[in-house]
Amino acid sequence: DAKTTQPNSMESNEEEPVHLPCNHSTISGTDYIHWYRQLPSQGPEYVIHGLTSNVNNRMASLAIAEDRKSSTLILHRATLRDAAVYYCILRDDQTGANNLFFGTGTRLTVIP
Amino acid sequence: ETGVTQTPRHLVMGMTNKKSLKCEQHLGHNAMYWYKQSAKKPLELMFVYSLEERVENNSVPSRFSPECPNSSHLFLHLHTLQPEDSALYLCASSHPDGPNTEAFFGQGTRLTVV
Repeated sequence: DAKTTQPNSMESNEEEPVHLPCNHSTISGTDYIHWYRQLPSQGPEYVIHGLTSNVNNRMASLAIAEDRKSSTLILHRATLRDAAVYYCILRDDQTGANNLFFGTGTRLTVIP
Repeated sequence: ETGVTQTPRHLVMGMTNKKSLKCEQHLGHNAMYWYKQSAKKPLELMFVYSLEERVENNSVPSRFSPECPNSSHLFLHLHTLQPEDSALYLCASSHPDGPNTEAFFGQGTRLTVV
């Protein structure tokens, strides 16, 4: 399974935009880029995913580099409820049931 | 509420006990997963079921025994556990049809082995 690299932690001020980076230099052409987040004492929660084009949904935006070797999760206005660990994961169709393998993620702290 | 329900939420068991964790989803998914999350460690994929057939077993000790009687239910049977097995156990479900789908996680069972 292709690996991703994320900073261990980031801080943001409340109501400011947050850009969470992810490097995935060994990504293959069929890997989808998924983002999940895990709030304290909860299971992971799906945020967004994409393949090549930038994606937007009600939670966030995903900007994917042209060579697909990196991506950025964008939270447009951070709130205190966005404090969580954010995981960038590559999901392919080569492994059984398209398994999700989690790394250590980025712990986002939102400062009031 | 994600649509994936895990019970119990908390469990304390002795090393000689036998207990089971339960996971249920009615999302129409037919892939289900067990993950283990120990303190300060990434989530570890333990077992994967696709269409009620086990497709992955990531070198998990035999004291953990999964069961998937149908596509909506997943169990993790526990026996003679060790204190180091104390962790958050998470269940997830998704469609196995391709990587262009999302997974839904339950709230987890916090297991303490004494």
